[in-house]
Amino acid sequence: GAVVSQHPSWVICKSGTSVKIECRSLDFQATTMFWYRQFPKQSLMLMATSNEGSKATYEQGVEKDKFLINHASLTLSTLTVTSAHPEDSSFYICSAPLATGELFFGEGSRLTVL
Amino acid sequence: AQSVTQLDSQVPVFEEAPVELRCNYSSSVSVYLFWYVQYPNQGLQLLLKYLSGSTLVESINGFEAEFNKSQTSFHLRKPSVHISDTAEYFCAVSQGGPRGTDKLIFGTGTRLQVFP
Repeated sequence: GAVVSQHPSWVICKSGTSVKIECRSLDFQATTMFWYRQFPKQSLMLMATSNEGSKATYEQGVEKDKFLINHASLTLSTLTVTSAHPEDSSFYICSAPLATGELFFGEGSRLTVL
Repeated sequence: AQSVTQLDSQVPVFEEAPVELRCNYSSSVSVYLFWYVQYPNQGLQLLLKYLSGSTLVESINGFEAEFNKSQTSFHLRKPSVHISDTAEYFCAVSQGGPRGTDKLIFGTGTRLQVFP
């Protein structure tokens, strides 16, 4: 079946640094990818919709300058957490739809900011 | 606004026992409902979905869920669980397109832990 892969699966960084998380669709092309954030014991919250070749669409309350999204190719979307702070520590998950519409999710990336 | 409530954060159960994971939603319009499963160290996988038609939907591994419009529920059930069913289960609702590509609103998840 279709596979979506995220890298890294776990990253620890110092406060003030930037971290990039990659989301790849391994065996299909995705013009759209979705980025979610999950706090412990809470729901997955949609952060933004990544669109290949155009700007991402952010959900209300999500800082565009804080969470930079780039969808440069049909198989890769990146989320960069800029100037990360401890409150940005979370589990970030991406998903990509097949042409049929079925969504496939990555394994998630756990960010810990010290 | 839509919302999804999963009342049980954890459900411990012995192997071969029946299980029900509860999911309630709120929406003023028609919705499409999904259950996703997340096994340890893996991404979310679609377990089953309700789009229209029969209110009872089944998955290939023995789970089923019934859409109850009057009770705004979409509870997940399995008559006999296995150790391998241990995972996190998420209920989700989409108001938009039925294929699931539209924005999904997730519940907080229920951790099903099956003991031998």
